Amino acid sequence: GENVEQHPSTLSVQEGDSAVIKCTYSDSASNYFPWYKQELGKGPQLIIDIRSNVGEKKDQRIAVTLNKTAKHFSLHITETQPEDSAVYFCAASRANDMRFGAGTRLTVKP
Amino acid sequence: DVKVTQSSRYLVKRTGEKVFLECVQDMDHENMFWYRQDPGLGLRLIYFSYDVKMKEKGDIPEGYSVSREKKERFSLILESASTNQTSMYLCASTQGKVYEQYFGPGTRLTVT
Repeated sequence: GENVEQHPSTLSVQEGDSAVIKCTYSDSASNYFPWYKQELGKGPQLIIDIRSNVGEKKDQRIAVTLNKTAKHFSLHITETQPEDSAVYFCAASRANDMRFGAGTRLTVKP
Repeated sequence: DVKVTQSSRYLVKRTGEKVFLECVQDMDHENMFWYRQDPGLGLRLIYFSYDVKMKEKGDIPEGYSVSREKKERFSLILESASTNQTSMYLCASTQGKVYEQYFGPGTRLTVT
């Protein structure tokens, strides 16, 4: 089955800096790659996603890149703000089989 | 907006008790999922359902069962709770395949 590895497990940045979280997956048939943000006391919420026919997608300060050949994808957050502090999960999916990474706790220091 | 609600935010149960966790979604989604979330392990799938009265085992179904009598409601049952089932439980729903999953707020279950 699919295996998703996520790094780093914790990340601390200064406000205004960029943050990058990386994930690798094992199943070459995976074709949907969402990123979720989980704030304290809440369920995960989708922040951006990418499908396997696209290499990069951007939405304001966040972007995701996908390298299908290498089977890895990354989340980039620019101009980080304290409200970006949360746990971020990557996932890889085909059909309804979605596998999650272990999560990255991002702390943005003011 | 899609709304997924879970019956309890916090629950404390004793070892051996039968525990029901309920999840309701209001968007007529076909697919519903139960995950447990543990530090360092991410989200692990317990059970999922594609339709009413239909269920499929996920990666860690042992010690759990599920029920889906109505399309909008998916229940997770711990037949005899054990301390190693202390965890955060998350319900999710989605329409169709290969789409965003919408999550509920989670139930933090403590078994003593």
